[in-house]
Parts: sequence; C-alpha cells; structure tokens
Amino acid sequence: AQSVAQPEDQVNVAEGNPLTVKCTYSVSGNPYLFWYVQYPNRGLQFLLKYITGDNLVKGSYGFEAEFNKSQTSFHLKKPSALVSDSALYFCAVRDSFSGGYNKLIFGAGTRLAVHP
Amino acid sequence: DAGVIQSPRHEVTEMGQEVTLRCKPISGHNSLFWYRQTMMRGLELLIYFNNNVPIDDSGMPEDRFSAKMPNASFSTLKIQPSEPRDSAVYFCAVLLGYTGGGYGYTFGSGTRLTVV
Repeated sequence: AQSVAQPEDQVNVAEGNPLTVKCTYSVSGNPYLFWYVQYPNRGLQFLLKYITGDNLVKGSYGFEAEFNKSQTSFHLKKPSALVSDSALYFCAVRDSFSGGYNKLIFGAGTRLAVHP
Repeated sequence: DAGVIQSPRHEVTEMGQEVTLRCKPISGHNSLFWYRQTMMRGLELLIYFNNNVPIDDSGMPEDRFSAKMPNASFSTLKIQPSEPRDSAVYFCAVLLGYTGGGYGYTFGSGTRLTVV
C-alpha cells in the first residue's frame, strides 16, 4: 500500500539551530514528493516538491528537502530555524494509482516548535 | 489561500441539521479536492473532481455526505443530517495546471464546523 510516514508528532528546536522534520514514503514507481506547511487557522501552503533531478530541493522560506531513494526518505531541513517557522508540516506523495489526477497522500503531520 | 475561497469560515449547527459548505476556486484549475482535518484522523480526502466530474468519492464517510460541482467555479459539500462526530475543519483544494508530476495543491482557509 502506498503511504507516507512522519515518525515525529512534534519537533522542538531552539531558534538559530538547524531543524529536520522527517518523512519516509512507500509508493510504486518513481515518487513525486511534496512538503506543505499549515499555520494556525489557515489552509496548507505548498513549500517544495521533488519530481526528478537533484536530490536536494530548495523551497520557500529557506527550507530544503533531501530525497534519498535508498532510504525512501524525504526529510525537510532548514539551516537556521526561526520562531516564525513554528507550524504544522505535512509530507505528501503522489498516489501513483490515481492516473493523471495527481491525488496526494498526506502524512499525519509534524508540529514544529521553535523556541526563542 | 487567496486562490480558493471557502464559506463560511465557521459554522456551528445543531445535530440533525443540514450543513452546506461552499468552495469557490480560482479559474484555471482542473481538479478540485475536499479534505477533512481532525486531531484524531489528520487529513482525510473525502472526494475529488476533475473537470467538474466526481472521480473518486470513496473517502466520503457516509451517505449523509454529498458533494457537487455544477461548474468550474463552484463546489459544495453537504452533510444531512449532521452529527457531532462531523465536527472538523473542511478544506477545499485545487490543482493548478500540470507540470511534470503536478505543481501541488492550493488550499482554501477551511471551514471549521462544530455540530452540537
């Protein structure tokens, strides 16, 4: 079955320190991977995606993610965390059985808390 | 969020009442998705449309739920009769165009439904 796992419910990091939010996936064929962020009382916002090419993908707000095929992972990273990065982060993978409809399968989400 | 308008933002209703949630997407999309978000179950895909046609409604929890998309600029999600366990945030999302594996979704700000 195709799935996305975010093993951490919450990640705590001090402002200025590097952060990593973990994601692993299981999908048939080549994965199309996404990260979204949700701020309080808002919808999800697109951060970045991996389709093909360089394994290190850069996205919005200084975030990047590293695709690792052998480990089936797509961890989200940022070199220096800001308090304003505190939010709920979702990893998603395209359902390869959805044909051309680009249905996404979302992980459970990881709450990132950046402390001053 | 500006690309997808959902109304109302908040809805409080009594058990047994009919509830209609509305979504007005920006033009240019080809797929529209309805999601439900709760603390216990995370993000759940309820139904999605492509070119205004329902493609997969397997996520609709019960016959009490129905969704329509009469044209490209409007969709509704109806719950009749509503129950307390339907309390959640309901999101509408659209896919804008197609680039490789898709550029990802644009989400509305959601409707917070409380059934008492």
